[in-house]
Amino acid sequence: GDSVTQMEGPVTLSEEAFLTINCTYTATGYPSLFWYVQYPGEGLQLLLKATKADDKGSNKGFEATYRKETTSFHLEKGSVQVSDSAVYFCALSDGSGYSTLTFGKGTMLLVSP
Amino acid sequence: EAQVTQNPRYLITVTGKKLTVTCSQNMNHEYMSWYRQDPGLGLRQIYYSMNVEVTDKGDVPEGYKVSRKEKRNFPLILESPSPNQTSLYFCATKFTTLPRNEQFFGPGTRLTVL
Repeated sequence: GDSVTQMEGPVTLSEEAFLTINCTYTATGYPSLFWYVQYPGEGLQLLLKATKADDKGSNKGFEATYRKETTSFHLEKGSVQVSDSAVYFCALSDGSGYSTLTFGKGTMLLVSP
Repeated sequence: EAQVTQNPRYLITVTGKKLTVTCSQNMNHEYMSWYRQDPGLGLRQIYYSMNVEVTDKGDVPEGYKVSRKEKRNFPLILESPSPNQTSLYFCATKFTTLPRNEQFFGPGTRLTVL
């Protein structure tokens, strides 16, 4: 079945550092890929998504590119802020409206001033 | 305001005492789903519903029941809760038509079963 693997955390960075959180997936066909963010005490929010190969999703300074050849969807940000501290989840769906989401286990990001 | 609401947000109960966690959405989404989040395990799907009166099991359905009698509501029922159901629960909803297929999550319900 489908699966998502993301790097274990926590990832600890200083403010303004460069961020990469790795995410790879296993799926048949052409899944849609997502990054969700969970701030402390809150539910998950969609951060960005990509629906086909080579698409780049971006939002709030975060970016991720759908790489079918390496089955990856790594999350990057050029300069993190303390307010980016959260748990980040990579997820996929099979691209149909009826499909469910398969999540990675989440990566906690801690940014210090 | 478009939103997914869950009640209660926090609940402490005892083993065997039936409880219901409610989920309601005002976005006219067809699809609704329940997840549980546990440390080191990420989010796992419990049940989902494609539309009214249509429900199906997710990855971890044991010990849970759901119903979908109205489009906007999708309650999660624990008939006889046990300590291993202590967890953080999220309801999520979405349209079933592309391209608007991203899921919207509720704020979560933290359940402790003693």
